[in-house]
Amino acid sequence: GIQVEQSPPDLILQEGANSTLRCNFSDSVNNLQWFHQNPWGQLINLFYIPSGTKQNGRLSATTVATERYSLLYISSSQTTDSGVYFCAVLKTSYDKVIFGPGTSLSVIP
Amino acid sequence: DAGVIQSPRHEVTEMGQEVTLRCKPISGHDYLFWYRQTMMRGLELLIYFNNNVPIDDSGMPEDRFSAKMPNASFSTLKIQPSEPRDSAVYFCASSWGLSNQPQHFGDGTRLSIL
Repeated sequence: GIQVEQSPPDLILQEGANSTLRCNFSDSVNNLQWFHQNPWGQLINLFYIPSGTKQNGRLSATTVATERYSLLYISSSQTTDSGVYFCAVLKTSYDKVIFGPGTSLSVIP
Repeated sequence: DAGVIQSPRHEVTEMGQEVTLRCKPISGHDYLFWYRQTMMRGLELLIYFNNNVPIDDSGMPEDRFSAKMPNASFSTLKIQPSEPRDSAVYFCASSWGLSNQPQHFGDGTRLSIL
């Protein structure tokens, strides 16, 4: 099956700082999503991004499918950005979504 | 539009009892997924349905777990009998298509088996 790695595992930021989260995967994929799990446990869909770059406010994501990685950028971080960020990939031939272990982000005022 | 709706949000019960978790997918979505999240194993897929038909249940941990989707707007995940190691957060998700559309998650059911 596909292996999904995320780095860093933990990150502490001062409010207002920028950060980059990385997701590496071991095989070509058809589907990649970034999720934010907030402190209440809800999984919030951030990006559906099997390739290319997308932006949504202070967040943006880039997936380089040929090199098997994706990056999530958070600019001007806020305390509400705290939580765990997951990437999840799917390869059609496996027909299963595989989640990475997540990056735990704490933004302190 | 309403998102994926799960119930109950929290469930606390004693071991040996039957537990039923419920999910209403987003209208029009043809795929429905059940996931379990634990500290040890992270998020793992249990089973998924396409057009109400179970496609892959290889993630279902044991025969104590069963899932049904009697119609396009409702699915259940049942555990009988429940055990303390089943304590976890159970998520339901739905999507329109499998590989080229995002999955949308419900708020989850936090299950505690005493």
